[in-house]
Amino acid sequence: DAMVIQNPRYQVTQFGKPVTLSCSQTLNHNVMYWYQQKSSQAPKLLFHYYDKDFNNEADTPDNFQSRRPNTSFCFLDIRSPGLGDAAMYLCATSRPLAGGPVAETQYFGPGTRLLVL
Amino acid sequence: QKEVEQDPGPLSVPEGAIVSLNCTYSNSAFQYFMWYRQYSRKGPELLMYTYSSGNKEDGRFTAQVDKSSKYISLFIRDSQPSDSATYLCAMSFGGDKIIFGKGTRLHILP
Repeated sequence: DAMVIQNPRYQVTQFGKPVTLSCSQTLNHNVMYWYQQKSSQAPKLLFHYYDKDFNNEADTPDNFQSRRPNTSFCFLDIRSPGLGDAAMYLCATSRPLAGGPVAETQYFGPGTRLLVL
Repeated sequence: QKEVEQDPGPLSVPEGAIVSLNCTYSNSAFQYFMWYRQYSRKGPELLMYTYSSGNKEDGRFTAQVDKSSKYISLFIRDSQPSDSATYLCAMSFGGDKIIFGKGTRLHILP
């Protein structure tokens, strides 16, 4: 089945120790997103790629970086995790509607829960 | 005023009841409306997707959009304990981004 895969499902890191979360998709979608979701809150968009074009949200801290080496894979790098970065990190994909450069709905992976000690 | 408002709940209803979940929004330019279901510690799963106003039915689920009132609803008929989850409304102008509500926690009591 076509899907969005995130690894690992759970990640424990130490305060200040860099960590990388990965996402892969078999949907062949053009757009990939990274969200941060804290308990009882809406997912917060960090950034997204339209193909190789990177789009950063204005309020995303510099501590968060992303790479998309090819259509299928996207990585979230947290350079110096703080206690406030403990959250669920969600990867999502979408595709443009036929005939226009706009996205339809988004399809999510299972998420990676990050714990910062 | 927030762009998308959603009552966080929790909402508890007995098994078999009809559930009504709602969101209001402030921007009349939204064109695409979605409902996601999120089980604890899992990613959101797309349930329903509607373009512009009207109703859409899929099994026990019905989505309604009233653009004149800036109000969307999700109805669940014959609710089951497996429907217990957080339900997130989401909407889009048609671009790359969607705006989520905070989600309503739903408990179906056996």
